[in-house]
Amino acid sequence: DGGITQSPKYLFRKEGQNVTLSCEQNLNHDAMYWYRQDPGQGLRLIYYSQIVNDFQKGDIAEGYSVSREKKESFPLTVTSAQKNPTAFYLCASSLQGASGTYNEQFFGPGTRLTVL
Amino acid sequence: DQQVKQNSPSLSVQEGRISILNCDYTNSMFDYFLWYKKYPAEGPTFLISISSIKDKNEDGRFTVFLNKSAKHLSLHIVPSQPGDSAVYFCAASRRYNFNKFYFGSGTKLNVKP
Repeated sequence: DGGITQSPKYLFRKEGQNVTLSCEQNLNHDAMYWYRQDPGQGLRLIYYSQIVNDFQKGDIAEGYSVSREKKESFPLTVTSAQKNPTAFYLCASSLQGASGTYNEQFFGPGTRLTVL
Repeated sequence: DQQVKQNSPSLSVQEGRISILNCDYTNSMFDYFLWYKKYPAEGPTFLISISSIKDKNEDGRFTVFLNKSAKHLSLHIVPSQPGDSAVYFCAASRRYNFNKFYFGSGTKLNVKP
């Protein structure tokens, strides 16, 4: 079955610790994304990657880092510099269409991170 | 500064009736709009989209209407079914920046049997 997996579903960490959230897709999509969702707010883009070994900051990249060493994997590290890391994190992927075309994003089930 | 807004956090509708979910946007450069549906503990799934060259797109029970002058779009579900109970997000993007989607805060739809 093709899809996006995120692990773990729930994650608890102590304040001051870095933590890495996993995202894997077997849809052969070029583009991958990380979003954060807080109560009462929409999804906000943290980082995105259009191709292996390349990624761009989204709207709220501070305190986060990513890597894209493989097409199918786009892990997100929440560093101790992120001031309010407790949130629901969603990973997504999409085809990379020709310039000017749009492709919907497919989402994983999410990881709920709680920092104690 | 949210560029896409869903001002109704929740909506309750009787089974068989019409559900209308609304979304407003502020950026006149947006020209592609999507609706996503999200069940608890799952990621959002794509539902329907519309390009700014159209004012209506229909897919089965789901229809999206776009009013560019009002910067407003709406999702109509007819007839509503209990399985439609979920959170609905609208999202928008603009040409040549198609990797960036801006999402609303979501509307939780409850369809009562």
